[in-house]
Amino acid sequence: KAGVTQTPRYLIKTRGQQVTLSCSPISGHRSVSWYQQTPGQGLQFLFEYFSETQRNKGNFPGRFSGRQFSNSRSEMNVSTLELGDSALYLCASSATGETQYFGPGTRLLVL
Amino acid sequence: GENVEQHPSTLSVQEGDSAVIKCTYSDSASNYFPWYKQELGKRPQLIIDIRSNVGEKKDQRIAVTLNKTAKHFSLHITETQPEDSAVYFCAASLTGYSTLTFGKGTMLLVSP
Repeated sequence: KAGVTQTPRYLIKTRGQQVTLSCSPISGHRSVSWYQQTPGQGLQFLFEYFSETQRNKGNFPGRFSGRQFSNSRSEMNVSTLELGDSALYLCASSATGETQYFGPGTRLLVL
Repeated sequence: GENVEQHPSTLSVQEGDSAVIKCTYSDSASNYFPWYKQELGKRPQLIIDIRSNVGEKKDQRIAVTLNKTAKHFSLHITETQPEDSAVYFCAASLTGYSTLTFGKGTMLLVSP
């Protein structure tokens, strides 16, 4: 099976803009989770979608949002970008809601 | 919520030595504990996991132990090789909930 894919791989944005990241899970996986990875805070959970419904949410401001489509592909959106949003955004897919497999990530730089 | 502490933050060993990374968790309800290896510029890769109904699990040179009473679990790598050099993350979650709480990571450097 093909692994988890994410697009785009790199993004440069300026403060105040918004951005949309995409994740395609492993075929047959219905759960997609998103994580933010920074040198200071490490890997932090953003939210999880299962069958098009947000099932869990981490402690991030409302500027961070997501959705999942009927084919299990997921998008996350960050509005009104801040410098501190610069990070590697990883998505992970799971068949069982337990074992998670990560995509290569989208590296976002906010200037 | 869950909190995972990981030690040490960096670990340097000679090729062939063993390496041990330790994690503690706070939520006694957590019952799934994966370990991920992340090489520079690459995605985290699952290397081994353990569930709370098991005390130890081995996969070739890698083993994980779990002490539910003390709420800590450890990764053991034997006969380390230079290609083991990477950042290792422990995590904890509750079965059925795709919410992994990660430790801060351990940078393992294996010198030839």
